Amino acid sequence: EVQLVESGGGLVQPGGSLRLSCAASGFTFSDYAMTWVRQAPGKGLEWVSAISHSGDNTYYADSVKGRFTVSRDNSKNTLYLQMNSLRAEDTAVYYCANLYSSSCHHWGQGTLVTVSS
Amino acid sequence: QPVLTQSSSASASLGSSVKLTCTLSSGHSSYIIAWHQQQPGKAPRYLMKLEDSGNYNKGSGVPDRFSGSSSGADRYLTISNLQSEDEADYHCETWDRNTRVFGGGTKLTVL
Repeated sequence: EVQLVESGGGLVQPGGSLRLSCAASGFTFSDYAMTWVRQAPGKGLEWVSAISHSGDNTYYADSVKGRFTVSRDNSKNTLYLQMNSLRAEDTAVYYCANLYSSSCHHWGQGTLVTVSS
Repeated sequence: QPVLTQSSSASASLGSSVKLTCTLSSGHSSYIIAWHQQQPGKAPRYLMKLEDSGNYNKGSGVPDRFSGSSSGADRYLTISNLQSEDEADYHCETWDRNTRVFGGGTKLTVL
């Protein structure tokens, strides 16, 4: 069974940093591109970032470019999102998902990030 | 990049059928999309991938009541024999080069 488990969310002050993790199991992690998607309270889904299966290529939404960094450790079956210079508008539940044939396929349960003073 | 447009809400009666629409922006009518279901308080769940031809591929365990179809720039998700557990937000997704886009989501109420 595919499982994606996010962790690392919490309350952080504006300008602060957080690192999210997504632990994967039940599939060959190194074969799949991965992505982060967020959902602000009461809002729709917003794509944040993606990374190729090898980690060689990374992609970002304009809203987070230069502040967030996606990475992965295929030896640990784990995806990361380093978030710096956080803003109130980054408050959201952050989901990781694997990309199968281009679309988001399996989703994690999400981790809540709250940016507030 | 493409834009996906969805109605904010829809409603239908228990046991009936409903057809949800996701519309691709001009110049992107050939794009493949995916539909995801998000029940209240839960993570999204992949339902299917839908081509402009109307061909679709459902995820594992998705009931036969869920089907997809296409017409021009419109991509449809039809749910037959509505059940109470179908009350959820439905999101469409597409991708272009190295970005991906979601529609605003449709909140489906089962009456």
